[in-house]
Order: sequence, then C-alpha cells, then structure tokens
Amino acid sequence: LAKTTQPISMDSYEGQEVNITCSHNNIATNDYITWYQQFPSQGPRFIIQGYKTKVTNEVASLFIPADRKSSTLSLPRVSLSDTAVYYCLVGERDTGRRALTFGSGTRLQVQP
Amino acid sequence: KAGVTQTPRYLIKTRGQQVTLSCSPISGHRSVSWYQQTPGQGLQFLFEYFSETQRNKGNFPGRFSGRQFSNSRSEMNVSTLELGDSALYLCASSFGVGYEQYFGPGTRLTVT
Repeated sequence: LAKTTQPISMDSYEGQEVNITCSHNNIATNDYITWYQQFPSQGPRFIIQGYKTKVTNEVASLFIPADRKSSTLSLPRVSLSDTAVYYCLVGERDTGRRALTFGSGTRLQVQP
Repeated sequence: KAGVTQTPRYLIKTRGQQVTLSCSPISGHRSVSWYQQTPGQGLQFLFEYFSETQRNKGNFPGRFSGRQFSNSRSEMNVSTLELGDSALYLCASSFGVGYEQYFGPGTRLTVT
C-alpha cells in the first residue's frame, strides 16, 4: 500500500486559500485518494475523493497530477472553523486492500 | 438520511470487565469499520466488516473482537479491560470496502 506523507502543520489566515499536499509515490493503478477532516473529540469527516485530474465539490477541490504521485487538497477562503486536522489516505475500492491507518495528518490553524 | 449512530456515547468500566459497543451504519451501507483514538497513538484501525465478514484487521490483541449482523449493524467487544483501553472508539460506515467512510460520534470509554 502506498505510504502517504503530509506536512505536520500549516498556518493560514481567514479568507485565504489553503493548499495541503500529500505525497504518495507508490500509489497503485487502482488506488483512490481520499481526504478527511477531523475536529477534536469528533470522528473524521469525509471531504473529497478522487482518482485523477481534478475533483471539486461544495467544500474543496482535489488536484491530482497525471503521475498521481501526489495530490493537493485546496480549501478556498478558509475560516476559523476550518481549523482541524486533515488526513490523506489511498487505497483500492471493493477489495480488502486499502489504507487502514490515518497517519498523523496535517494540523491546519486558521488565524483571524 | 440518518447518519452513523453509536451507543452508548459514554461508558465507565473497571479493569478486568468487558464491554460491548454498538454501531448502526447509514442505511444502504454494508461496510463497517472500527477505530480507536487516543491522544498518544492517534486514530488506529481495529477491524472492518463487509456483509458479515471481517475483511481487514488491525494490530490489536485478541481481547478486541467484533461482528456484523445481517442488517449491517455491528458490535465490538473488549474483554478483560485494561487502563490503556481508555479511548474514543469510532465506527465508520461506507457503501463498500474502500469507499469514503462516514463516521459516528464515537463512544468515550474510560477504564478505571
């Protein structure tokens, strides 16, 4: 399974765009990339999932280059409520082969 | 659509006792996963069930067990509780193995 590497922490200010990059050099052909957000004492919340190119929903965008060895979660115009830990996972669908660990994630701190 | 529900939300047990936690997945979801979260170890995967079959298992001792019923509801059991089992236990459901997961609010277990 592809190992993921993310920055441990990031700081931003309200209203800015935040880009969090995840490295997954050994991603396999059938792997999907999934991002989650977690607030203290709560379970992670699904943000976005993609396979290639760009995926956008009402919350974020996910950019995946052609080689798929990395991915970037983009949060437009962050607010204080976006302060959380963000996790990147890779894994296959429909098989038992998928990422089982959430790793340490990226702690995003948004300042006023 | 109702989210993932977990019962009980809070539990206090004594060392040596056993505990059973319950999880009801989102309607239509057939995969249920369990995680343990502690401040020191982060979010650790326990096991995953799909259609009543365990598909993946994390690195936890045999005191931790689980099962899934035909209606996709799941239970996890911890026997001979230890102080180190104090944690937030999270259940997540998904359409299938490897699909995006939706987490419940968790059960906060305190072992004294």
